[in-house]
Amino acid sequence: NAGVTQTPKFQVLKTGQSMTLQCAQDMNHNSMYWYRQDPGMGLRLIYYSASEGTTDKGEVPNGYNVSRLNKREFSLRLESAAPSQTSVYFCASRDRVGDTQYFGPGTRLTVL
Amino acid sequence: AQSVTQPDIHITVSEGASLELRCNYSYGATPYLFWYVQSPGQGLQLLLKYFSGDTLVQGIKGFEAEFKRSQSSFNLRKPSVHWSDAAEYFCAVGAKGRRALTFGSGTRLQVQP
Repeated sequence: NAGVTQTPKFQVLKTGQSMTLQCAQDMNHNSMYWYRQDPGMGLRLIYYSASEGTTDKGEVPNGYNVSRLNKREFSLRLESAAPSQTSVYFCASRDRVGDTQYFGPGTRLTVL
Repeated sequence: AQSVTQPDIHITVSEGASLELRCNYSYGATPYLFWYVQSPGQGLQLLLKYFSGDTLVQGIKGFEAEFKRSQSSFNLRKPSVHWSDAAEYFCAVGAKGRRALTFGSGTRLQVQP
């Protein structure tokens, strides 16, 4: 039981490049989330998915797209990376019974 | 709109001393409250949560938190801090079934030997 896994752990991009951050959970949770963490700002919601096939914008969705590929996987795509997207990205899934979110280890992204 | 305030950005305590980390929230409905801990370079680990019932909640690693509705607070406490407690602590608020949590900006704890 690995919980929530994220790949890659680290990534450096040049402005304008694209990439996809991968997230998978093996806890059979319906809801999944993408957050970004910036110094002094806590975590802010980018997108979330309440169930397979549905996605919704969060607080800071601009510049991102998501795909809920199946119940296990929820990916985050940057189509044209900008320096303002330099951040640590966390994926989470939510236990509906306990109403608790469980977080992955994060992806540290630097955009030059 | 919901919000969470952690007024202390950085706290330093001596090993063995007691600890209290403050958290104040603003939420229109009955809140679900959480404390998470993040060690350097790691993800967030749940310390404890409050949904209802007894307002004093016990968590992992010897932490506890008390929900005070009249003060809109959910402060985290530990009677004796260990060096391994050095980390960043986040308070978060949500509601049953709601889409996501709102996080405070975090408190970084440093433990002196």
